[in-house]
Amino acid sequence: AQSVTQPDIHITVSEGASLELRCNYSYGATPYLFWYVQSPGQGLQLLLKYFSGDTLVQGIKGFEAEFKRSQSSFNLRKPSVHWSDAAEYFCAVGAGFGNEKLTFGTGTRLTIIP
Amino acid sequence: GAGVSQSPSNKVTEKGKDVELRCDPISGHTALYWYRQSLGQGLEFLIYFQGNSAPDKSGLPSDRFSAERTGGSVSTLTIQRTQQEDSAVYLCASSMPTSGVTSSTDTQYFGPGTRLTVL
Repeated sequence: AQSVTQPDIHITVSEGASLELRCNYSYGATPYLFWYVQSPGQGLQLLLKYFSGDTLVQGIKGFEAEFKRSQSSFNLRKPSVHWSDAAEYFCAVGAGFGNEKLTFGTGTRLTIIP
Repeated sequence: GAGVSQSPSNKVTEKGKDVELRCDPISGHTALYWYRQSLGQGLEFLIYFQGNSAPDKSGLPSDRFSAERTGGSVSTLTIQRTQQEDSAVYLCASSMPTSGVTSSTDTQYFGPGTRLTVL
């Protein structure tokens, strides 16, 4: 069975600083990886996803993530955060065809300080 | 509507009562998912529908939980004899298969959730 670990429960960064949120997954085959963002009172919104090909994927809102098979990681990055990026971020893994459910990590809450 | 909608947005109930949570998926989306988000926990998969059938009920935590979907659209998640540990945000998502076969590669679009509080 697949699993996801997000080791950081809460991260605080200054506006304009760079950001990296960590995600480690466990899955025996090629994983399908996702990052979602949940703003207060909002549903989850997909930021980006990785299935195959280029290991650096670009998403919405200036986010990117890099798949590193050797480290079983899929860390999310942004060069310069904005106050509006304050939210909860979830990494998820899916097993692809024939296994439709996503397994989510416990999330990382991002706080932005002026 | 344009997105997934859920009702009610908030539900407070007493222990032992039954509750029904409703999900309206994006029009035309054939796959529908229910997840539960408990405080300090990630999202926990509950059940998945393809059309009106539920191929995967593996995440339902007990036989007090059931779900149905009618007309390939609206879904209802029912919790009988609610317990305090059922308190959580219940999220619904829908997707449209892009390859003819439903897959976790399909983007899931989430609703805002129903916050259930069991007193």
